[in-house]
Amino acid sequence: DGGITQSPKYLFRKEGQNVTLSCEQNLNHDAMYWYRQDPGQGLRLIYYSQIVNDFQKGDIAEGYSVSREKKESFPLTVTSAQKNPTAFYLCASSKRDPTDTQYFGPGTRLTVL
Amino acid sequence: AQSVTQLDSQVPVFEEAPVELRCNYSSSVSVYLFWYVQYPNQGLQLLLKYLSGSTLVKGINGFEAEFNKSQTSFHLRKPSVHISDTAEYFCAVRPYSSASKIIFGSGTRLSIRP
Repeated sequence: DGGITQSPKYLFRKEGQNVTLSCEQNLNHDAMYWYRQDPGQGLRLIYYSQIVNDFQKGDIAEGYSVSREKKESFPLTVTSAQKNPTAFYLCASSKRDPTDTQYFGPGTRLTVL
Repeated sequence: AQSVTQLDSQVPVFEEAPVELRCNYSSSVSVYLFWYVQYPNQGLQLLLKYLSGSTLVKGINGFEAEFNKSQTSFHLRKPSVHISDTAEYFCAVRPYSSASKIIFGSGTRLSIRP
């Protein structure tokens, strides 16, 4: 089955630690995205990538980093510089055509202890 | 720049009653319009989208939406809701000229009462 997988589903981190969230897709999509979701705020774009080895900052990139070494993979690192990292993180992918649907993974809930 | 406003953060409805979730947008360029649904602790999935043509768009699970260009609205409707429709609904726009950024509204939580 084609789709997007995110792991782990739940993640706990101590303050001051970096943590990496995994996102893999087998839909052969060029574009991939990371969103952060907080209650009552909808989705906010962290980073996006339209092609391998290239990515752009979204609206809230500070304290986060990404890489896009393979078409299928777009891992997100939450660094210790992120002031309030506790949130639900969603990865998505799509074709580059703006009419195309974005397909979302099941999400990772990160809690900082 | 674009923005999306979902006028109601929460909508309680009785089962089998009709429902309308409101969405207004602002954009200086032409946009495509989307509605996504998110069930608890899951990712989002597409309900429907408006690209061109007929302004009434039908989606999955009996939902439909009407694009009104003069009012810059894209309200979502269902004539009779079920308990299983309990979820959060997001309206979104994506500019014609951009292959990258989709802008989401803040969401409307639909709760169905038996």
